[in-house]
Amino acid sequence: DQQVKQNSPSLSVQEGRISILNCDYTNSMFDYFLWYKKYPAEGPTFLISISSIKDKNEDGRFTVFLNKSAKHLSLHIVPSQPGDSAVYFCAATTTGGGNKLTFGTGTQLKVEL
Amino acid sequence: EAQVTQNPRYLITVTGKKLTVTCSQNMNHEYMSWYRQDPGLGLRQIYYSMNVEVTDKGDVPEGYKVSRKEKRNFPLILESPSPNQTSLYFCASSVDRNILSYEQYFGPGTRLTVT
Repeated sequence: DQQVKQNSPSLSVQEGRISILNCDYTNSMFDYFLWYKKYPAEGPTFLISISSIKDKNEDGRFTVFLNKSAKHLSLHIVPSQPGDSAVYFCAATTTGGGNKLTFGTGTQLKVEL
Repeated sequence: EAQVTQNPRYLITVTGKKLTVTCSQNMNHEYMSWYRQDPGLGLRQIYYSMNVEVTDKGDVPEGYKVSRKEKRNFPLILESPSPNQTSLYFCASSVDRNILSYEQYFGPGTRLTVT
């Protein structure tokens, strides 16, 4: 049972435009969400996170939006750059349940010139 | 430099030949975890450890063992590898949950092929 889903395996965007990556979850106990970025031959690296007490968190070009009623979050990258081309994983956890992260299947973002 | 290291980075082996993938972190993190990444399945947790001598199963523990004798090391052991354990493996660490940090730091990965 996939509790965290990323329904788009890939996304292609032009440089300078907005990239929107989506993530849905089914477990209503999840209350903290993270996005990781992964380049080939490297481990995932933390990008941005959001607590369920917020609906938006911003860090430079990256913004994460959380819609708790829809159990949906999205990552916006504006403007997109070629160096953003990577696989993006959404992850979720329960703050009272230890450090366990449940990951989505990932979305391959390609930013084209 | 704060990091998580894994060895080896690449390994090709045969069915049934015991192997160990090492993981070490230099950040004094209490929590360590092993994941495998497979196409279409994302990252799935194999085992985790909340501290020294404390380990527990994740979502896909079958065929794997771990140990945590020292805080910095968390080796993954495959006693009798099978082809369905061919995968990309990641070790990760993070501070204790009580510090309210859920960010995990990942190693560079170990690509294992079992023939």
